[in-house]
Amino acid sequence: GAVVSQHPSWVICKSGTSVKIECRSLDFQATTMFWYRQFPKQSLMLMATSNEGSKATYEQGVEKDKFLINHASLTLSTLTVTSAHPEDSSFYICSAQRSPTDTQYFGPGTRLTVL
Amino acid sequence: EDQVTQSPEALRLQEGESSSLNCSYTVSGLRGLFWYRQDPGKGPEFLFTLYSAGEEKEKERLKATLTKKESFLHITAPKPEDSATYLCAVRRGGADGLTFGKGTHLIIQP
Repeated sequence: GAVVSQHPSWVICKSGTSVKIECRSLDFQATTMFWYRQFPKQSLMLMATSNEGSKATYEQGVEKDKFLINHASLTLSTLTVTSAHPEDSSFYICSAQRSPTDTQYFGPGTRLTVL
Repeated sequence: EDQVTQSPEALRLQEGESSSLNCSYTVSGLRGLFWYRQDPGKGPEFLFTLYSAGEEKEKERLKATLTKKESFLHITAPKPEDSATYLCAVRRGGADGLTFGKGTHLIIQP
């Protein structure tokens, strides 16, 4: 298989706090992982590309100081939403790219609600 | 800028009624067109990757095809469990993320 997990599956936090979301590839190593965001009834939008051992690459319009990404190992990437605000409430989904194919396998997503 | 347009936005079929979903794309240097299935509140589930015009892939009741400008996902004799949102996405380079269309919400009525 190609299993990707995320933790937590949902989180509710107060405005101004930080939230960390973990993404793990369980049965393969992933040099590259990606973070996407999906608003209700919208499609997935790429936020950033995470490469093991190097700085993440952010898409235009995504604040790198607000969405901190760390890819410390070949099986783990984390996304930290700093000083969260209600407009950051969304469904955050990670994917892991399995070499040597181009296929990205997605995690189950994390529902973030900021009050 | 890469663009992916899916049609129709929503499709309701009777069980057993075959149909096709369309994905039109504009991308410089296509490095793969992907089909995923997404159930409510879950992450996308990988279905197919297509790389070149004329390529076809099949899995159970689903068949994906690719031309230079569009891809089709054909569903034959669908069952209620095929109800989901089907997403099409394109990729430019080997390490680039995916650009997704808005999806087709498919409902199969028993």
